[in-house]
Amino acid sequence: TQLLEQSPQFLSIQEGENLTVYCNSSSVFSSLQWYRQEPGEGPVLLVTVVTGGEVKKLKRLTFQFGDARKDSSLHITAAQPGDTGLYLCAGFSGNTGKLIFGQGTTLQVKP
Amino acid sequence: EPEVTQTPSHQVTQMGQEVILRCVPISNHLYFYWYRQILGQKVEFLVSFYNNEISEKSEIFDDQFSVERPDGSNFTLKIRSTKLEDSAMYFCASRRTGTATGGAYNEQFFGPGTRLTVL
Repeated sequence: TQLLEQSPQFLSIQEGENLTVYCNSSSVFSSLQWYRQEPGEGPVLLVTVVTGGEVKKLKRLTFQFGDARKDSSLHITAAQPGDTGLYLCAGFSGNTGKLIFGQGTTLQVKP
Repeated sequence: EPEVTQTPSHQVTQMGQEVILRCVPISNHLYFYWYRQILGQKVEFLVSFYNNEISEKSEIFDDQFSVERPDGSNFTLKIRSTKLEDSAMYFCASRRTGTATGGAYNEQFFGPGTRLTVL
């Protein structure tokens, strides 16, 4: 059974601080996606990483896929209150393309 | 920008009743999925659907669940006899065709969800 473990599960920081969220597995994924989810809404796709070692940037967010494609990280530089939300990693699994989700990281950025 | 839509946004039903949750995937997508998220828990895969048939289903997707693509645009999830533990957010997602080996073809886009409350 493929599992994704996210850490930390909850993070509360001050505006302007940097942070990193980790997504780890013992399984290899062909690709991994990061989503952001607001309360009562569906996950919104932020980025897809495919190649081992790949780094993608989305404004102040930097996503990295591990060399062995078993882990990924999300780094936010100079966090802002608008970054507050639930961040989910999800691994692409099998031929049908189902996603295996981590349990999520709830980020709170205080002004 | 194309998006996945779902109706209703909230459904309240009595235990034992049948419910149908509806989704309109992105028009040029060919892979469709249902996921659920019980309050405070992780998003869980229910079923994948391709070429008018189920391609994979999870242990959660038992005989009480069924999916259908009745026309060229809608994708539905039916729960035949709801239980209290079926209360959750149900998300529909779609993906365009492509190989399973990686790339943008792996990207799944989610709808806003239907909150199902079983009393």
